Amino acid sequence: RKEVEQDPGPFNVPEGATVAFNCTYSNSASQSFFWYRQDCRKEPKLLMSVYSSGNEDGRFTAQLNRASQYISLLIRDSKLSDSATYLCVVGNREYGNKLVFGAGTILRVKS
Amino acid sequence: DGGITQSPKYLFRKEGQNVTLSCEQNLNHDAMYWYRQDPGQGLRLIYYSQIVNDFQKGDIAEGYSVSREKKESFPLTVTSAQKNPTAFYLCASSISMGGTEAFFGQGTRLTVV
Repeated sequence: RKEVEQDPGPFNVPEGATVAFNCTYSNSASQSFFWYRQDCRKEPKLLMSVYSSGNEDGRFTAQLNRASQYISLLIRDSKLSDSATYLCVVGNREYGNKLVFGAGTILRVKS
Repeated sequence: DGGITQSPKYLFRKEGQNVTLSCEQNLNHDAMYWYRQDPGQGLRLIYYSQIVNDFQKGDIAEGYSVSREKKESFPLTVTSAQKNPTAFYLCASSISMGGTEAFFGQGTRLTVV
């Protein structure tokens, strides 16, 4: 079982749609969680950290469910510019003290 | 501007050659990382360093070597022992290991010719 698993997609949605991605992680001792965005042939960029209480940044909402060991990202009112690959990232100070990246979920927003 | 700089952006290597990819950061971060990304795949960790003069193997270290003589610099050498080196190489840094977000350089695209 992979340490961090994501549905690879692609998710094809029309502009204005709401789309949600889930990510599961295997290590229950994981302590930090992030969503990154990666555009084609570019480096990943931090989209948002994920906190236990959930957090929102404009059209983006991230949730953490520790009991079920999954993280979600909700994008409301999708824009063409949201088209990218979204990477789920999990960190654990005990688990080799490193960040583990999921393979990513592809989002394509169409007009 | 603070950030992470990778060079070169594109690199071509002949079979049997060693090549070194540069990574410099001026964010005063302790931790630095090297990842490899193949087309349509996720990031795989090659090496990481928690502090100067210390580094650890990641998941796919074979055929690669690193050094961390200065806090700002974490160069990666792709040796001739790496049988399939064509990939997108990403360097990242974070304040510390494990619990903090990582920031990436723009990457080096290595092609074997």
